[in-house]
This record gives sequence, C-alpha cells and structure tokens, in this order.
Amino acid sequence: DAKTTQPNSMESNEEEPVHLPCNHSTISGTDYIHWYRQLPSQGPEYVIHGLTSNVNNRMASLAIAEDRKSSTLILHRATLRDAAVYYCILIYGGATNKLIFGTGTLLAVQP
Amino acid sequence: DAGVIQSPRHEVTEMGQEVTLRCKPISGHDYLFWYRQTMMRGLELLIYFNNNVPIDDSGMPEDRFSAKMPNASFSTLKIQPSEPRDSAVYFCASSLWWRDTDTQYFGPGTRLTVL
Repeated sequence: DAKTTQPNSMESNEEEPVHLPCNHSTISGTDYIHWYRQLPSQGPEYVIHGLTSNVNNRMASLAIAEDRKSSTLILHRATLRDAAVYYCILIYGGATNKLIFGTGTLLAVQP
Repeated sequence: DAGVIQSPRHEVTEMGQEVTLRCKPISGHDYLFWYRQTMMRGLELLIYFNNNVPIDDSGMPEDRFSAKMPNASFSTLKIQPSEPRDSAVYFCASSLWWRDTDTQYFGPGTRLTVL
C-alpha cells in the first residue's frame, strides 16, 4: 500500500482557513485520496475524497497537485469543533476500500 | 438510520477472561470492518467481512482473537483469553460497497480495559 506523510500537528485560529498537507509520492494512477478525521473520543468520520481533480463538499475542499504526489485538505473557516486528528489515506484503485491509517495530523483550533 | 451501533461502550475485565464486543452495521451495508486503536500502534484494521463472509483477517493479532458475522445485522469480536495488552478502543465500521470511492461509517467504539 502506498504511504502518506503528514505533519504531526498544526495549529489554527478560529474562523481562519486551515490548509492540511499530505505527501504521497508513491501514489499510483488508480489510488484515490481519502481524508477522514477523528474528533476526541469518537470514531473516525469521512471528510472528502478525490482522484485527480479538486473536490469540494460541505465540510471541506481537497486540492490535488497536478502530479498527484501531494494534496491539501482545506477547511475554509475553522471552528472549535474542527479540532481533531486528520488522516490522509490512499485507497488502492479498483479492488478494495480498505483503510490503512497513518498517524495523521492533530489540528488544534484556538479561539 | 441510527448509524453503526457498538456495545458495550466500556468494558473492564480481568486478564484471562473472555470478552465479546458487538456491532450492528448500518442496514443495507454489505461490508463490515473491525479496527483497534492504541496509543502505540494507532488505528489498525483487524478484519473485514463482505456479505457476512470474512474476506481479510490478516490484521487479527493472534489466535486469541476471533470474529464472526452470523447475519447481515450483527457481528462479534471475541478475545479469549484476554490480556492487558489487548486494552484499546475497538471500532466497528460499515460501508455500502467495496469500491475505492465508498465511505466507511464508524461506530462510537468500545473502550476495553484488561486488568
């Protein structure tokens, strides 16, 4: 399985945008990029996913580099409720939706 | 839908005892996953099922762990005998389909403490 690299932690101020980076230099052409997050004392929850094009949904935006070796999860206006561990995960295209979690990025949001 | 339901939410037991964790997936979901989360190892996939059949159990740590899915709405993860190093939060998740684009929905977890 292709691996991802994320910063261990990041800090943001409330109501400011947050850009969470993820490097995946060994990504293959059919790997999807998924983001999940885990709020304190809860199970992980899906945030967004993409393949090549940038994606937007009600929670966040996903910007994917042209060479697909990196991506950025964008929270447009961080709230205190967005404090969580964010996981960037590659899913092998076409065969499975197994999730292999890395260590993720712990996002702290300051009021 | 109530989402993925797990029980119990907390379990405290003594070393050597049998522990059974339970999971009810979202109705209509064909895939069920069991994960374990510890500080040392993070989130690990233990086993997953498709239509009640185990597909990949390569993450099950040892023979003391077993998982079953007798029907589409119920799964168990059993540890016998339990050991202190099994202390962790165990999550169950389900998804509608197998595709790489499909979302997994996680339950709230069972926090297991083995004394």
